[in-house]
Amino acid sequence: DIVMTQSPDSLVVSLGERATINCKSSQNVLYSSNNKNYLAWYQHKPGQPPKLLVYWASARESGVPDRFSGSGSGTDFSLTISSLQAEDVAVYYCQQYYSNPRTFGQGTKLEIK
Amino acid sequence: EVQLLESGGGLVQPGGSLRLSCAASGFTFSTYAMSWVRQAPGKGLEWISVINYSAGTTYYAGSVKGRFTISRDNSKNTLYLQMNSLRADDTAIYYCAKDFWGDGSSSYFDYWGQGTLVTVSS
Repeated sequence: DIVMTQSPDSLVVSLGERATINCKSSQNVLYSSNNKNYLAWYQHKPGQPPKLLVYWASARESGVPDRFSGSGSGTDFSLTISSLQAEDVAVYYCQQYYSNPRTFGQGTKLEIK
Repeated sequence: EVQLLESGGGLVQPGGSLRLSCAASGFTFSTYAMSWVRQAPGKGLEWISVINYSAGTTYYAGSVKGRFTISRDNSKNTLYLQMNSLRADDTAIYYCAKDFWGDGSSSYFDYWGQGTLVTVSS
């Protein structure tokens, strides 16, 4: 199974500042035949279902604010929130879909300073 | 608008069984694979099973293989999860989620239900 490891486990950032969450996979999730990274990011708020933010490592889902961006390739990825808003408080997960079983990172809890 | 509505959760004793349902609407259910993902209290997300669009292919996480069975009824736009031999560590919120693709190969999840709580306790 591919193990996904996120860092940090928790993050405290001031409103308007940049927040960066990292995700490392134990195996390459870049599929050479199409040059796509099989990596997604989700936002999970208490009492709500997870919400897809980014897929293919850097493609933003429709309706997601452009302050959210994904980057990286191979085994190392990042989710960046360029200017933190109060509504961004949540737990963020990365997920690989290179192979079954699909696996998630352990989550990063983002809070406001 | 895509909607996924889970039901069937509740309190069950260790060793017992429960069947979850997920009613889907707002998309052509019969053309997409569907998954179950759970979150234990204070823990992260864990994918547990997928079924392809035609119910011809299923995959399970090792933690539930042999105890849980995923199925679907495309005529009713409904996904199921039969859970047997339940253990305390199966206690979780269970979400149904729509795969981006139909064939059950690994995918991300573009829509999620609100979840249903399963508590395994004596």
